[in-house]
Amino acid sequence: GAVVSQHPSWVICKSGTSVKIECRSLDFQATTMFWYRQFPKQSLMLMATSNEGSKATYEQGVEKDKFLINHASLTLSTLTVTSAHPEDSSFYICSAPISDPYEQYFGPGTRLTVT
Amino acid sequence: GIQVEQSPPDLILQEGANSTLRCNFSDSVNNLQWFHQNPWGQLINLFYIPSGTKQNGRLSATTVATERYSLLYISSSQTTDSGVYFCAVDLNNFNKFYFGSGTKLNVKP
Repeated sequence: GAVVSQHPSWVICKSGTSVKIECRSLDFQATTMFWYRQFPKQSLMLMATSNEGSKATYEQGVEKDKFLINHASLTLSTLTVTSAHPEDSSFYICSAPISDPYEQYFGPGTRLTVT
Repeated sequence: GIQVEQSPPDLILQEGANSTLRCNFSDSVNNLQWFHQNPWGQLINLFYIPSGTKQNGRLSATTVATERYSLLYISSSQTTDSGVYFCAVDLNNFNKFYFGSGTKLNVKP
């Protein structure tokens, strides 16, 4: 199947700093990617849609100024958590769809801990 | 918004047993996938199944789109099947997946 990678796999940062997470489609191009977050023992919640060459679209309740998304190329989307606070600690997962045959593939996730 | 409900929330099986996991959704969907989340958090694709039945080894899945539910069957379960199983649905082909709450499966040796 298709491969989606994320970097870093885990990160610890101090409160007030910013953290950038990368999501790459390794063997296919993705004009659209998606970012999810998952709290411990909970389900995945869609945060935003990352669109190559245009602005991201955010789900209701997600602060776009806190979670900056940039889709700079057909294989790379980045999520920057700005001015991180302990409540931003979570597991962040990206995904990208392929169309033929249709299926959506998920990255391995990035565990963010804000101290 | 769409509601995606999975049952049971928790399931404990003895190795070798069979099980059925259910996913109910409140609206018509264009896409539906089943995933297994391993202990490290990686989501592993099991089935893309907006309708019909598919089988892959000991796993099979059936989606009855008109009745808004999907089933995942696990036969002859193994300890490596342990983890959380999610179904996720896409309403309108925008590729935005909404996840169910998951079924946590524990297969004991």
